[in-house]
Amino acid sequence: EAGVTQSPTHLIKTRGQQATLRCSPISGHTSVYWYQQALGLGLQFLLWYDEGEERNRGNFPPRFSGRQFPNYSSELNVNALELEDSALYLCASSFGRDPGNTIYFGEGSWLTVV
Amino acid sequence: QQQVKQSPQSLIVQKGGIPIINCAYENTAFDYFPWYQQFPGKGPALLIAIRPDVSEKKEGRFTISFNKSAKQFSLHIMDSQPGDSATYFCAASHGGSQGNLIFGKGTKLSVKP
Repeated sequence: EAGVTQSPTHLIKTRGQQATLRCSPISGHTSVYWYQQALGLGLQFLLWYDEGEERNRGNFPPRFSGRQFPNYSSELNVNALELEDSALYLCASSFGRDPGNTIYFGEGSWLTVV
Repeated sequence: QQQVKQSPQSLIVQKGGIPIINCAYENTAFDYFPWYQQFPGKGPALLIAIRPDVSEKKEGRFTISFNKSAKQFSLHIMDSQPGDSATYFCAASHGGSQGNLIFGKGTKLSVKP
């Protein structure tokens, strides 16, 4: 069974541009999470989608946004890129909304802003 | 109050040793405490998780000890192997956090042959 898949693996953008990252959850999972893993800052919660709705967001500015499609896949959009947005963006999925459900991570998308 | 503090930042042990990684939290509403293992270039993978109604949980060579009164939990790796060399993250969440796992900053473990 395929795990959480993310694309692209690497992305290089210029400051001020927009980046779009994509995620396909494990089959049967309805919840998708986005985390930012910046060097030295650990994993920071960005967004949680379930059943097509944004259920929670972390302490990030509005230029970080996303959506979940009817097939439960998701995309993360980062507008007006800043140098400090350079990080590994991890997508994760789980079955349902129970916070105790195991969250499975993908291998991430590396975003470099120059 | 939402923080999870993890220590040490890095740890070097010899093969067969028992590395111990500690985490502390403030929010008493937390009721789910997973540990994740991350190898370079890979996403974090769930290793083991515990809820506060038990004080210890073992899965293979990995053990979580949980001290509810002290608001601390720790990961022990028995008979550590070079293949255990990775970064380990503790995390916490509660029913009301709605999908928001709060992660510690990670511990980079190196197990020497």
